[in-house]
Amino acid sequence: GEDVEQSLFLSVREGDSSVINCTYTDSSSTYLYWYKQEPGAGLQLLTYIFSNMDMKQDQRLTVLLNKKDKHLSLRIADTQTGDSAIYFCAEIYTGGFKTIFGAGTRLFVKA
Amino acid sequence: EPEVTQTPSHQVTQMGQEVILRCVPISNHLYFYWYRQILGQKVEFLVSFYNNEISEKSEIFDDQFSVERPDGSNFTLKIRSTKLEDSAMYFCASEGQSNYGYTFGSGTRLTVV
Repeated sequence: GEDVEQSLFLSVREGDSSVINCTYTDSSSTYLYWYKQEPGAGLQLLTYIFSNMDMKQDQRLTVLLNKKDKHLSLRIADTQTGDSAIYFCAEIYTGGFKTIFGAGTRLFVKA
Repeated sequence: EPEVTQTPSHQVTQMGQEVILRCVPISNHLYFYWYRQILGQKVEFLVSFYNNEISEKSEIFDDQFSVERPDGSNFTLKIRSTKLEDSAMYFCASEGQSNYGYTFGSGTRLTVV
């Protein structure tokens, strides 16, 4: 069945780049997403990428997709303390009515 | 910016009682979802709803669960007879255009005692 895997923790220094990685199993995934969850809040959509794209850039965020390896990454440039949150990778497959989420990667940003 | 509103933010209920979790999706959105997150675990899909009917549901969404969109604005999740293991954060989400990403509410923390 569909599954999305992420590492649980990442710690970086303020100003450095963060790279959060994700792997997924469903080769028919058509859209892949990154969501951010701050303490006590719901998930906020950060960005998404279509499966026919390799890369998408949006200000400090760069999403890379390796469809052959089913690997998705989120790079945050110049990471700030306000970027500390849980980041969820998610996918939806062709014809599906549900998005599958990973367990989330908790990003710690040290000042 | 439009947002999805969930009420209540916290609910404590006794095992066996019925609870109704309420959501007001974004007004021009067409697709509606309930997810839940048990503390420290994955965000799990419960049900999707489109065109006034369930599009897809998970194994978690058994006969104890139901959803309704009674008046064109509210979207509710009912748990008929709560169990201890239903304790979780329940998130409502809506989507305007299919596959362009969800807008989530802030969640309802349900505690079953």
